[in-house]
Amino acid sequence: EAGVAQSPRYKIIEKRQSVAFWCNPISGHATLYWYQQILGQGPKLLIQFQNNGVVDDSQLPKDRFSAERLKGVDSTLKIQPAKLEDSAVYLCASSLGRRYFGPGTRLTVL
Amino acid sequence: AQTVTQSQPEMSVQEAETVTLSCTYDTSENNYYLFWYKQPPSRQMILVIRQEAYKQQNATENRFSVNFQKAAKSFSLKISDSQLGDTAMYFCAFMKLISNFGNEKLTFGTGTRLTIIP
Repeated sequence: EAGVAQSPRYKIIEKRQSVAFWCNPISGHATLYWYQQILGQGPKLLIQFQNNGVVDDSQLPKDRFSAERLKGVDSTLKIQPAKLEDSAVYLCASSLGRRYFGPGTRLTVL
Repeated sequence: AQTVTQSQPEMSVQEAETVTLSCTYDTSENNYYLFWYKQPPSRQMILVIRQEAYKQQNATENRFSVNFQKAAKSFSLKISDSQLGDTAMYFCAFMKLISNFGNEKLTFGTGTRLTIIP
């Protein structure tokens, strides 16, 4: 069974630039999550989708972060404009009960 | 709101020895799940073990077992016969049971970096 795929694996940008991350969940998984993991901390939920609808985005900084899940499958997370404090690993996960995580994208903002 | 505390930022142990990682949590809920996740340098979070709060019996998965003390709100992970591949960050996590399937929130601790020494 293929796992959760994410790209890119690494991204380095300068502050005020834009960046987008892509996630392809496990086939058939209705629920998709984006987490932000800052160095030295546990992952923090940014947004949760159920199919293509948003279930929880209470911790998403909506002035600069946006996410969509068109057709209830793949998802993209965008940051525009990026700040230094956005440097983190961005994890995508999907579930149909048990949660499976992708390998994450490490973002460095200079 | 639920909180999860891991008081050991780093631990190391010799290969083949046993190590115990600590976790405490704070909640007013009665029905919930507790998890231990492993995050190796590859960054992928891998579920190690899960405990349902309504079960008194401690969960076990091969070399991994937990000591779940509900009244004390404690959930420690024991790794027996530790192996080099166990080197990773370990996160304790809490999930409240909500009747609406899929609308559950997972709260993580800050992690313990475990190093197995050859």
